[in-house]
Amino acid sequence: DAMVIQNPRYQVTQFGKPVTLSCSQTLNHNVMYWYQQKSSQAPKLLFHYYDKDFNNEADTPDNFQSRRPNTSFCFLDIRSPGLGDAAMYLCATSSRDRLYNEQFFGPGTRLTVL
Amino acid sequence: QKEVEQNSGPLSVPEGAIASLNCTYSDRGSQSFFWYRQYSGKSPELIMFIYSNGDKEDGRFTAQLNKASQYVSLLIRDSQPSDSATYLCAVNRPYSSASKIIFGSGTRLSIRP
Repeated sequence: DAMVIQNPRYQVTQFGKPVTLSCSQTLNHNVMYWYQQKSSQAPKLLFHYYDKDFNNEADTPDNFQSRRPNTSFCFLDIRSPGLGDAAMYLCATSSRDRLYNEQFFGPGTRLTVL
Repeated sequence: QKEVEQNSGPLSVPEGAIASLNCTYSDRGSQSFFWYRQYSGKSPELIMFIYSNGDKEDGRFTAQLNKASQYVSLLIRDSQPSDSATYLCAVNRPYSSASKIIFGSGTRLSIRP
């Protein structure tokens, strides 16, 4: 089945210790997104790639970086995690070839910062 | 004013009844509207999308859109305990280079047996 996969599902890191989250997709979608979602809040878009074009949201902290080495994979790097970065990180994909560009989410990575 | 507003709930509905979830949005240029279901600790799952004024039905779910009033709703008929979840309304951000959507904070729905 075509899907969006995120690894790991749970990540524990220490304050200030870099962490990388990964996302892969078999949908062959050209757009990939990273969202941060905290408890009882809306998912907040951090950035997205349209093919190789990177688009950062204006309020995304510099502490967050992303890489997309190919169509299938996308990574979220948190350079120096703080306690406030503990959240669920969601990867989503969409295709500009679909008329309404609906987004499909992976299962998420729950990040804990100690 | 938030771009996408939802009542946070919880909305409690008896099993078998109709659950009605509402959402308003601020940008008249928005053209695509989505409803996602999110179980606690899980990721959002797309259940409906709508783009034309009126109703769109899919099984027990009906999405309703009124662009003049900037209002979109989701009706769930014959509510089941498995429908207990947070429902996120999402609206496309017009004029963006890619398909960006803005989420509301969600309405928590509880179906009581």
